[in-house]
Amino acid sequence: DIQLTQSPSFLSASVGDRVTITCRASQGIRSSLAWYQQKPGKAPKLLIYAASTLQSGVPSRFSGSASGTEFTLTISGLQPEDIATYFCQQLDSFPITFGQGTRLETK
Amino acid sequence: EVQLLESGGGLLQPGGSLRLSCTASGVTFSDYGMLWVRQAPGKGLEWVSGISGSGANTHYPDSMEGRFTISRDNSKNTVYLQMNSLRVEDTAVYYCAKLCYSSGYRAGVDYWGQGTLVTVSS
Repeated sequence: DIQLTQSPSFLSASVGDRVTITCRASQGIRSSLAWYQQKPGKAPKLLIYAASTLQSGVPSRFSGSASGTEFTLTISGLQPEDIATYFCQQLDSFPITFGQGTRLETK
Repeated sequence: EVQLLESGGGLLQPGGSLRLSCTASGVTFSDYGMLWVRQAPGKGLEWVSGISGSGANTHYPDSMEGRFTISRDNSKNTVYLQMNSLRVEDTAVYYCAKLCYSSGYRAGVDYWGQGTLVTVSS
């Protein structure tokens, strides 16, 4: 099974900060990685698919990148509405797996 | 607009069975693979099962193989999850989810249902 190690588990940042969340895969997954935002009591929302493609309607301050088996979600200029938990997911092979999640809070 | 509407959750005792349904609208349903994903209270996301657009291929994590069965009826735009021999640890919100693709491979889940709560308790 492909393991995804997501870091950090918790992140405290200020409005306007640049925030980076990392997801490392235990083996190659091509670009078959997605990032989601989840707010309490709500279903996850797709932010980035295929590692770096911004989902339609998602603000451009969100971006994704990849280098080998390391994937990064960046928020350039944190906004109050970005406070949420973020998950990565690999879909390259079954079983599909998720990272453990990053809880983002404001300072 | 694509919508996924789930139903079938509830409270049941350990060892019981339940069938979840998810009906899609606003999409050519048979063109897309579908997933079930669950989230236990206060926990992360866990993939439960997957099915191809035609229904010919199904996938499960080892921990659920033999207890859970995913199926679909493309004439009804509906995907199902039959859950048997339920355990307390199966308590979770269950989401159905539509796959999206890029360059022919699975790239993410672009639509999620609202979630349906399954509670297994004695």
